[in-house]
Amino acid sequence: NAGVTQTPKFQVLKTGQSMTLQCAQDMNHNSMYWYRQDPGMGLRLIYYSASEGTTDKGEVPNGYNVSRLNKREFSLRLESAAPSQTSVYFCASVSGDLRGETQYFGPGTRLLVL
Amino acid sequence: GQQLNQSPQSMFIQEGEDVSMNCTSSSIFNTWLWYKQDPGEGPVLLIALYKAGELTSNGRLTAQFGITRKDSFLNISASIPSDVGIYFCAGLQGAQKLVFGQGTRLTINP
Repeated sequence: NAGVTQTPKFQVLKTGQSMTLQCAQDMNHNSMYWYRQDPGMGLRLIYYSASEGTTDKGEVPNGYNVSRLNKREFSLRLESAAPSQTSVYFCASVSGDLRGETQYFGPGTRLLVL
Repeated sequence: GQQLNQSPQSMFIQEGEDVSMNCTSSSIFNTWLWYKQDPGEGPVLLIALYKAGELTSNGRLTAQFGITRKDSFLNISASIPSDVGIYFCAGLQGAQKLVFGQGTRLTINP
């Protein structure tokens, strides 16, 4: 039981390049989330998926797209990376919604956009 | 977007001292959560609060949900070196969206 896993752990991109951040969970959770963490800003929700086949925008969705490939996997794509997207990205999951549930976070992906 | 104001931003204390931090908001939340983040890791849930006025403990940690539902505090008693890290409050909006505070970085001098 690995919990929530993320790949890659580190990535350096040039402005305009694209990439996909991968996230997988083996806890049979329905809901999955993508956050970004910047210094002094806490974590901000980018997108979430309440169940397989559904996705919704969070607080800061611009410049990102997501895919809920199946119940286990929720990917985050940057089509044209910008320096403002330099951040640490966390994936998380929970069995239902957040009321009364523990949200499990992955170890994070550190992204630098030059 | 909605922001939670968390204070203090950082704390430098001696081992064995008690710690207190708090979060305030202009909006009402129905659930308050407190997380701890160690370097290079994701946040881990410490305490969840579901009712206004609720006081909950988890070992040396105690948290309260403010009566106005716009604030919460976290206390750590008799701090130890492994308490070092960043502590985040978070408020739940609806069923799926968490709003996080900016974090309190705790440093402990042995």
